[in-house]
Amino acid sequence: GIQVEQSPPDLILQEGANSTLRCNFSDSVNNLQWFHQNPWGQLINLFYIPSGTKQNGRLSATTVATERYSLLYISSSQTTDSGVYFCAVRMTTDSWGKLQFGAGTQVVVTP
Amino acid sequence: GAVVSQHPSWVICKSGTSVKIECRSLDFQATTMFWYRQFPKQSLMLMATSNEGSKATYEQGVEKDKFLINHASLTLSTLTVTSAHPEDSSFYICSALGSSVYGYTFGSGTRLTVV
Repeated sequence: GIQVEQSPPDLILQEGANSTLRCNFSDSVNNLQWFHQNPWGQLINLFYIPSGTKQNGRLSATTVATERYSLLYISSSQTTDSGVYFCAVRMTTDSWGKLQFGAGTQVVVTP
Repeated sequence: GAVVSQHPSWVICKSGTSVKIECRSLDFQATTMFWYRQFPKQSLMLMATSNEGSKATYEQGVEKDKFLINHASLTLSTLTVTSAHPEDSSFYICSALGSSVYGYTFGSGTRLTVV
């Protein structure tokens, strides 16, 4: 199956700092999403971004499908940005449409 | 749009009993839904693909007789954990493809504790 690798595994930021999270994947995909999992376990859909660049407030994401990676940018981080960030992909050849998750990046933003 | 409702949010059950978890798509029809399991400090692992009107497809290593999936309508899939044991304690999350704009939408999850 497809390999989804996220880096770094852990990230500690001071409030106000910027950061970049990376997601590499080993096969062609036609769906890529970034999620933020809050302390209660709810997965918040940040971006649906199989290709291109999107921005939403302080967050933005870029996917370069031909090079098999995606980046999530967090600018001017706030303590509420703490949590686990997951990248999830769907292989182009997967007829069932299964979404496979990376291991996640644990982000802690300190005041 | 594209809301998935999951119930219950948490449940505690005794060893040997069965627990049913419901996943509903509220504002769209989902011919396919997915069930994931997440252990503490780990990622989401796909358990099975639930198809409306047919048998579920299970991932390798997932016991189909223990985790019964029923997808009787286009808006409801259920996961029943049968003869639960403490090692089945986990966070279970369902999802469905809501739209081509929003991608996959996830339920709020069910925290199962087996005592």
